[in-house]
Amino acid sequence: KAGVTQTPRYLIKTRGQQVTLSCSPISGHRSVSWYQQTPGQGLQFLFEYFSETQRNKGNFPGRFSGRQFSNSRSEMNVSTLELGDSALYLCASSLGQGDGKLFFGSGTQLSVL
Amino acid sequence: AQSVTQLDSQVPVFEEAPVELRCNYSSSVSVYLFWYVQYPNQGLQLLLKYLSGSTLVKGINGFEAEFNKSQTSFHLRKPSVHISDTAEYFCAVSPLPSTGTASKLTFGTGTRLQVTL
Repeated sequence: KAGVTQTPRYLIKTRGQQVTLSCSPISGHRSVSWYQQTPGQGLQFLFEYFSETQRNKGNFPGRFSGRQFSNSRSEMNVSTLELGDSALYLCASSLGQGDGKLFFGSGTQLSVL
Repeated sequence: AQSVTQLDSQVPVFEEAPVELRCNYSSSVSVYLFWYVQYPNQGLQLLLKYLSGSTLVKGINGFEAEFNKSQTSFHLRKPSVHISDTAEYFCAVSPLPSTGTASKLTFGTGTRLQVTL
């Protein structure tokens, strides 16, 4: 079974631009969560989508948004990029049954210059 | 709200020695507990989890953890480490499942395990 796939692996943007990250979950998984990982703040929860609906959200500004498609693939968008948005963005998929067992992708490393 | 404290940011250990990585949590509600491992340039991988039942939980790669409710701890142990165990280890909690909370993990800041010969 293929794992969680995130594209692109690396991304370089400049301040003010916007970016879209993609995540393909494990086949059969209906839940996709996004996390931001930085050296200073560690791992922080962004949001979770289940069956195309956002069902949980972390404490991030509205510049961070996401969506999920009918095939469970998910995209995350960050608008008006700031230097502090530089981070590793991790996507995780699960069956969404409530046992908290997440399968993580390798992440997208975003650098904002 | 939940919080997780990993008491050691780095743990150096020699190969074949035992190791314990410490984790304490705080929560006003019952939680599930997890340990995840992150190898360089990779995502996180689940090592083990405690949902209920026996407080001693066995995971992959020879790791185990013990849930102590009175001390709100969930320390990770391995009796004999290998060079390949060098990685970052994260303790995490999530509220018991209700709508929309199952995937919202709160992570600790991580412990870097460095195994040397």
